[in-house]
This record gives sequence, C-alpha cells and structure tokens, in this order.
Amino acid sequence: SQQGEEDPQALSIQEGENATMNCSYKTSINNLQWYRQNSGRGLVHLILIRSNEREKHSGRLRVTLDTSKKSSSLLITASRAADTASYFCATPDQAGTALIFGKGTTLSVSS
Amino acid sequence: DAGVIQSPRHEVTEMGQEVTLRCKPISGHNSLFWYRQTMMRGLELLIYFNNNVPIDDSGMPEDRFSAKMPNASFSTLKIQPSEPRDSAVYFCASTNTLTGSDQPQHFGDGTRLSIL
Repeated sequence: SQQGEEDPQALSIQEGENATMNCSYKTSINNLQWYRQNSGRGLVHLILIRSNEREKHSGRLRVTLDTSKKSSSLLITASRAADTASYFCATPDQAGTALIFGKGTTLSVSS
Repeated sequence: DAGVIQSPRHEVTEMGQEVTLRCKPISGHNSLFWYRQTMMRGLELLIYFNNNVPIDDSGMPEDRFSAKMPNASFSTLKIQPSEPRDSAVYFCASTNTLTGSDQPQHFGDGTRLSIL
C-alpha cells in the first residue's frame, strides 16, 4: 500500500529557479528518505531526516519534516539542468526494515 | 566500490517463457530487496531478504514469481511462465541493517523486461 504521496506529479522550471516537492504520508514514522531517479537508472539516496529533526541541509538540498501534519518537503535551490529527474519520498514499513515509496515527482529543468 | 549489479539490463521474451533476473548486492550488505516499477503502480516492493532469509514476500504478485538468495552475494527473481502484464523495470536494492534500521538503500540500474 502507498504510504508517501508526492506533490506535484510533475514540475517544470528554468535553470536557477528553486524547486519544491512535497510528500505526505499516513502513519507515524521514525524517519523519511528522499531519492532521485535519473531516466533509465536506479534510485539514488539523497537525504534522510529523522522524526526528531525539523530541517536538514545537504548542499543545495533542504528537507523539512512536519510530523504533526505528516508531511515533508524537498527544496532544490538554484536548480541545474542536471537536476532533471524523478524524486521519491520513502518511509519505513511497519516492521521498520523495508521502504515504501511514493509515485514520485518528475522535475524538468530547462536551460 | 562496485554498486549493486543487475543482469541482464534488458530482456525481451515471448509470453510463456521462463525469465530469470539476477542481482549481486554490495559486499557486506545483509538485506536485499526486489522491486517492480511501472507507470501505473509506481515502485512496488516484491520481496526482501535479511541474512539470505526471505522475510516478507507479500508483494510477490502470483505463484509464477519466485525469488531465491542462495548466498550473501547473489539473488535471483524468476517468473515462470511469463505474461505480458509482467512487463516492467525490476530493481534490486541492498542495504546494511547491522548498523541501524534507518540505512539508505542502494539500487542497481534495473532490468527492463518486455514480455511479448
């Protein structure tokens, strides 16, 4: 069953602009992860945020987590054409071992 | 270090044929996951292994699907007989849960399967 749902499904921006993607989930979690998938490739882990964290940064990435609203956001600042990819949020299953992925946001960055 | 290695990268076969997908996880990782990705259903977890033992196969769609992990460095996903609706990209991922349950998963580049 789907746990995380990303919004929007698709996003098109110009290079240099910021891109914000949102993820909502249904049950309590102890962490949330974001992954990127380039066309024809496997998913690549970007960042993990724990339930006791509100915000986390990694380079041009900023992730927030609001456990009261059961939502997370991924912000990519100063986007580049190379950021064109699909982005997925993932939350642990009930056993805490496997991950459940959302359907992703497809980001297109044009130069 | 080598990442997760999947083979073949592409497979085209006729309905009814047996299909075997292969995965070599990252050395030292103790958990392995098989996923299927389609436009309609997104990324679905099929089965996962911990220390070579299948833990949860509730995502395996039918008895036509089976998975094995004979040792820590190799896993197979088999479909027999294959059907057109099995067409999808199949991913293998591995992680090391010995260092904690919140470890990132490392994905292979997938096998794109087309059943005619």
